[in-house]
Amino acid sequence: SQQGEEDPQALSIQEGENATMNCSYKTSINNLQWYRQNSGRGLVHLILIRSNEREKHSGRLRVTLDTSKKSSSLLITASRAADTASYFCATDAGGGSNYKLTFGKGTLLTVNP
Amino acid sequence: DTAVSQTPKYLVTQMGNDKSIKCEQNLGHDTMYWYKQDSKKFLKIMFSYNNKELIINETVPNRFSPKSPDKAHLNLHINSLELGDSAVYFCASSQSYRYNIQYFGAGTRLSVL
Repeated sequence: SQQGEEDPQALSIQEGENATMNCSYKTSINNLQWYRQNSGRGLVHLILIRSNEREKHSGRLRVTLDTSKKSSSLLITASRAADTASYFCATDAGGGSNYKLTFGKGTLLTVNP
Repeated sequence: DTAVSQTPKYLVTQMGNDKSIKCEQNLGHDTMYWYKQDSKKFLKIMFSYNNKELIINETVPNRFSPKSPDKAHLNLHINSLELGDSAVYFCASSQSYRYNIQYFGAGTRLSVL
C-alpha cells in the first residue's frame, strides 16, 4: 500500500518565493527521503532525514519531520525557475532484508520566471 | 561517466512481444532496483537485488523476470507484453539495502501498442 502522500499535488509560484511541500505517511519509519524529478529524467536524491531527527538543512532546502504526526515538509527558499520539477517523498519502513523505499505521488512545482 | 545507465531510452513494441531493458551502475553499489512509474507518476518498486541475490519481489506478474549477472548489472526481461505494461521503468542503485539513498537511471519509456 502507498506510504507517502504529498500535498499539494501541484504548486505554482513566482521566482524568489518560497515553496513548501508536505508529506504524510502511515507507519513507523527508519528514515524519510526527498527526491526531485525533472521532466523526462530520473529521480535525484535531495535529502534524507532520520526518524530521530526533527530538522535538516541542505543549501536552500529545509526538511522537517514530525514522527508524532507522521508528516514531513520540504521548504525550498528563494526558488528559481530551475527548481521546476516534481518532488517526491519516500519512506523507509523496512527491517530484516525488506528495506525498501515507498514513494508518494509527488508534488509538481512550477516556478515562473 | 553516467552513474546508472539503462538502455534503451525508448521502447515501442507490439502486444505479445518479448523485450529486455538493461541497467548498469559504476558506483560500486551492492544493491540495485527496478521501479515502474505509471502515467500519473506513481513510482512503485518491482524488484531489488543485493549482491546478485533477489531480496525484494513485489507482486509483479511472472512475465517480468529480472536477472543480475553481477552486482553492477540488473536486467529486466518482459515476456508477452500487454498494453498495461506501458510505463516508464527506472533502474536504481544504492550502497547497500540498509543504506538506501538511491541513484536513478534516466528511465526507459515502454510503449506497448
